[in-house]
Amino acid sequence: NAGVMQNPRHLVRRRGQEARLRCSPMKGHSHVYWYRQLPEEGLKFMVYLQKENIIDESGMPKERFSAEFPKEGPSILRIQQVVRGDSAAYFCASSQTDYSNQPQHFGDGTRLSIL
Amino acid sequence: GIQVEQSPPDLILQEGANSTLRCNFSDSVNNLQWFHQNPWGQLINLFYIPSGTKQNGRLSATTVATERYSLLYISSSQTTDSGVYFCAVVWGSNYKLTFGKGTLLTVNP
Repeated sequence: NAGVMQNPRHLVRRRGQEARLRCSPMKGHSHVYWYRQLPEEGLKFMVYLQKENIIDESGMPKERFSAEFPKEGPSILRIQQVVRGDSAAYFCASSQTDYSNQPQHFGDGTRLSIL
Repeated sequence: GIQVEQSPPDLILQEGANSTLRCNFSDSVNNLQWFHQNPWGQLINLFYIPSGTKQNGRLSATTVATERYSLLYISSSQTTDSGVYFCAVVWGSNYKLTFGKGTLLTVNP
């Protein structure tokens, strides 16, 4: 999957705990996108970040979810006080530039299960 | 927003058969990508093809941007081709990919 690294691959949390998902983009890429795939549904956009900036968070739930892409280190998708409905596969993608005609390269995803 | 429709929703083939998957979209696009989600859930990037034709082994894709559709061809299918095939587009001033609902392909030995 072209070098986008996501960890962990699987994450199990109990209701009310916090989940932190990490994404390291491809080398040379400074644009990161997070997508969510709920069971029996397609992939839906959540948030688009550049280094230290959130560009578009229109697909992210207003409560409990946050994302960051610091100057150093991976992008983090954080879910506070998780509920059963947060169980899903979370995919990260990266691109080289902010031009909309650039391909996005995807990681293998993090499967989040809420007990 | 843009509509992305994929057909057929399900397809069952015998190993060795050929198939064509279709993706229709309702507006001009800046980016179109085809993905294969394998049974382990990994999302494999097949083609970046906003226009024209590309080939990669047994797979090829054609996008006719003026008529707002793209086709994915799979020849001599193998059981490892099984999974869900997604088409996704970027349109307008957006940066996000909008995905179709996918085609579930099952290749039987």
